[in-house]
Amino acid sequence: AQSVTQLGSHVSVSEGALVLLRCNYSSSVPPYLFWYVQYPNQGLQLLLKYTSAATLVKGINGFEAEFKKSETSFHLTKPSAHMSDAAEYFCAVSAGGSYIPTFGRGTSLIVHP
Amino acid sequence: EADIYQTPRYLVIGTGKKITLECSQTMGHDKMYWYQQDPGMELHLIHYSYGVNSTEKGDLSSESTVSRIRTEHFPLTLESARPSHTSQYLCASNGRDYGYTFGSGTRLTVV
Repeated sequence: AQSVTQLGSHVSVSEGALVLLRCNYSSSVPPYLFWYVQYPNQGLQLLLKYTSAATLVKGINGFEAEFKKSETSFHLTKPSAHMSDAAEYFCAVSAGGSYIPTFGRGTSLIVHP
Repeated sequence: EADIYQTPRYLVIGTGKKITLECSQTMGHDKMYWYQQDPGMELHLIHYSYGVNSTEKGDLSSESTVSRIRTEHFPLTLESARPSHTSQYLCASNGRDYGYTFGSGTRLTVV
């Protein structure tokens, strides 16, 4: 069984500030982990993924995430927020060879000028 | 550039009507999925297919049906639309890669 918890349904930051979106997972086998972004009236877009290679994963738009097995976490960060980063962000986990991930409930990122 | 296409983007339809939401992908992916996304953002898997002539129901009970006659095409049909079907419907696909490619979605309103 696998599950994902995203801490905080809403995260608010000022433009230029650090972005930190939290994701914790539960899996009985080594997982694959993903972050997706959804802009208004759009589908989800893959930001980055961890598939058992380097634990620090770099994605598009300056985002990165670090897989920490001891903490069962895969938090998403960006050093400096931009207004265009305002969107919904989803963490997801696949494990045991399943192609169907379990999605978190999503975190809405709000960026203030 | 989109490799997976959903039509229509928006649809308002009366109760009892039959509707088909279209989804096509040009990537040759064998696996395709339909998700329903509620206003609180949560995604619910309603149907999936691992290849031609193969379809399965997902976690969320749905009154919709799907077909997979061609690799690139995975339409979703509601035989009789109801207001409870009002939602956003997202189509996705993947090949050997575990990450999904999503379409832009269809926002359905049943009045």
